[in-house]
Amino acid sequence: SYELTQPPSVSVSPGQTASITCSGETLGETYVSWYQQRPGQSPVLVIHQDNKRPSGIPERFSGSISGNTATLTISGTQAMDEADYYCQPWDARISYVFGPGTRVTVL
Amino acid sequence: QEQLVQSGAEVKKPGASVKVSCQASGYTFTTADINWVRQAPGQGLEWMGWMNPDNGDTGYAQKFQGRLTFTRDTSIGTAYMELSNLRSDDTAIYYCAIPNWGSGVGLEYWGQGTLVTVSS
Repeated sequence: SYELTQPPSVSVSPGQTASITCSGETLGETYVSWYQQRPGQSPVLVIHQDNKRPSGIPERFSGSISGNTATLTISGTQAMDEADYYCQPWDARISYVFGPGTRVTVL
Repeated sequence: QEQLVQSGAEVKKPGASVKVSCQASGYTFTTADINWVRQAPGQGLEWMGWMNPDNGDTGYAQKFQGRLTFTRDTSIGTAYMELSNLRSDDTAIYYCAIPNWGSGVGLEYWGQGTLVTVSS
């Protein structure tokens, strides 16, 4: 089965920048989405099509992709950004699988 | 405003089936694929499959083939997910979701989730 790799955890100080990577063999061939999930809540789409923010998502969230690695960057991290983050390549060939998730802790 | 409202929590015995509903409002039901995603306790997100509510076409993740069925009732704007032959590891929160309107990429609108507990 298709494997995606994300770091299990990322720690960041308030106001600093957090970067979360997502790697997969064919990631560069399709669009990547990113989701934020706070405890007890439904996921929230924060980035789609590699680098586009849905309406209502703060500008401090940005996405990029280089080769087979996608990156979600949170600039000026706030306490409210503490959550789990999942990547998802939008690719029917790999059944729209999600990455394993990264826990972002704001210290 | 797009809204997906799911049915309430369920408790089932191993071997039974469960049917979860997802009622859509705020948009035309037949214009967006309904995706289903589940999350076991303390685990990550798992994509299960999709359904086109307009023509009923479906796509299922390989691991659920033969146990999973998506249906819909367009007259009431509701999609259904039925999982059969339940096992303890099917205990999870089940979500329905629809894609971003502009790009059709990424799941932008989510239901509140339905907890399904499988226990003898």
